[in-house]
Amino acid sequence: DGGITQSPKYLFRKEGQNVTLSCEQNLNHDAMYWYRQDPGQGLRLIYYSQIVNDFQKGDIAEGYSVSREKKESFPLTVTSAQKNPTAFYLCASMADREGNNQPQHFGDGTRLSIL
Amino acid sequence: AQSVTQPDIHITVSEGASLELRCNYSYGATPYLFWYVQSPGQGLQLLLKYFSGDTLVQGIKGFEAEFKRSQSSFNLRKPSVHWSDAAEYFCAVGLYNFNKFYFGSGTKLNVKP
Repeated sequence: DGGITQSPKYLFRKEGQNVTLSCEQNLNHDAMYWYRQDPGQGLRLIYYSQIVNDFQKGDIAEGYSVSREKKESFPLTVTSAQKNPTAFYLCASMADREGNNQPQHFGDGTRLSIL
Repeated sequence: AQSVTQPDIHITVSEGASLELRCNYSYGATPYLFWYVQSPGQGLQLLLKYFSGDTLVQGIKGFEAEFKRSQSSFNLRKPSVHWSDAAEYFCAVGLYNFNKFYFGSGTKLNVKP
């Protein structure tokens, strides 16, 4: 079955540590997105990528980094510069970077906590 | 600036009762509109979408939504709620020229037996 796989489901970070969240899709989608979800705040866009080897900052990119070396993969690194990383992180993809009236598809998320 | 407002943070309805979840948006043109549902610890599942045409759209699980341009609203409705509908619901606006989406803060639905 096609879909988006996020791993791990739970992740713990120590102070000063970088951690990487995985997002893989087998939907052959061009565009991929990372959102952060905090209680009562909905989803906020961290980074998005419309094509391989290209990505743009979203509304809250500080303290995060991404790469898009392959179409199916869009890993997110939470760096030590992100002082409040505890949140639920959602990865999404969309069929066509031109939009063409397609909705986003979401993974099941990764919950990141600070030790 | 674009924004999506869901004015109700929590709503409780009795099983079998009707439901309406409110969503208002701010955008200079006709947006692309979505409703998603999220169960605890899960990702978002698309319920329905509006791009153009008929302003009343049908979705999965018996949900429907009506786009009202004059009110900048896209409210979600269901005639009879089931206990399994208890979840958090998100309204979203898609800006395809920028390939970006904006989400409301969500409405948590509780269903009383």
